[in-house]
Amino acid sequence: AQSVTQPDIHITVSEGASLELRCNYSYGATPYLFWYVQSPGQGLQLLLKYFSGDTLVQGIKGFEAEFKRSQSSFNLRKPSVHWSDAAEYFCAVGASDDSGNTGKLIFGQGTTLQVKP
Amino acid sequence: EPEVTQTPSHQVTQMGQEVILRCVPISNHLYFYWYRQILGQKVEFLVSFYNNEISEKSEIFDDQFSVERPDGSNFTLKIRSTKLEDSAMYFCASTFTGVGYTFGSGTRLTVV
Repeated sequence: AQSVTQPDIHITVSEGASLELRCNYSYGATPYLFWYVQSPGQGLQLLLKYFSGDTLVQGIKGFEAEFKRSQSSFNLRKPSVHWSDAAEYFCAVGASDDSGNTGKLIFGQGTTLQVKP
Repeated sequence: EPEVTQTPSHQVTQMGQEVILRCVPISNHLYFYWYRQILGQKVEFLVSFYNNEISEKSEIFDDQFSVERPDGSNFTLKIRSTKLEDSAMYFCASTFTGVGYTFGSGTRLTVV
């Protein structure tokens, strides 16, 4: 069965510092991969997605992520964090069965990002 | 930019009562989903809906749950007899292609 692991439950970085949030997935084929951000009490906003092609994908708000098949990873990065980036970040993989993509997303546990001034 | 709209944003209901959560997906989308997030936990898939029928449902989606697309624009989730453990944020999502959804902002359901 497909699964997603976000090893870091909570990360604190200083404003202006670089950020990397880790995501590992378990999947048999080429996955559809997503990063979502959720501010407190808010919905899920799509940051970026990977379906195929260039393994480095650019998203909104200055975020990028790199798909590494050999490591089953899709880590999210940002070169310089802003205080407004404090939120919860979810990695997700598009599930599939024998007939292909089912459309269902499987989410990781989430990583809470705190930004120090 | 088109949005998925969910109403109400917050609903409080008594245990055992029926509740209907409403969603208006993006108008040309074909695939519809409900997810839930219990406070402090990860987002969990409930059900997917395509071509006017359920295409997949999770173990959570038992006989107490049902979905409907009554009029071609709304997509509803009904919980027949709510339990305390149904308290969660419920998210609706839609997509045209079956991948890459747009989520609504959620309905926070509190069962007392």
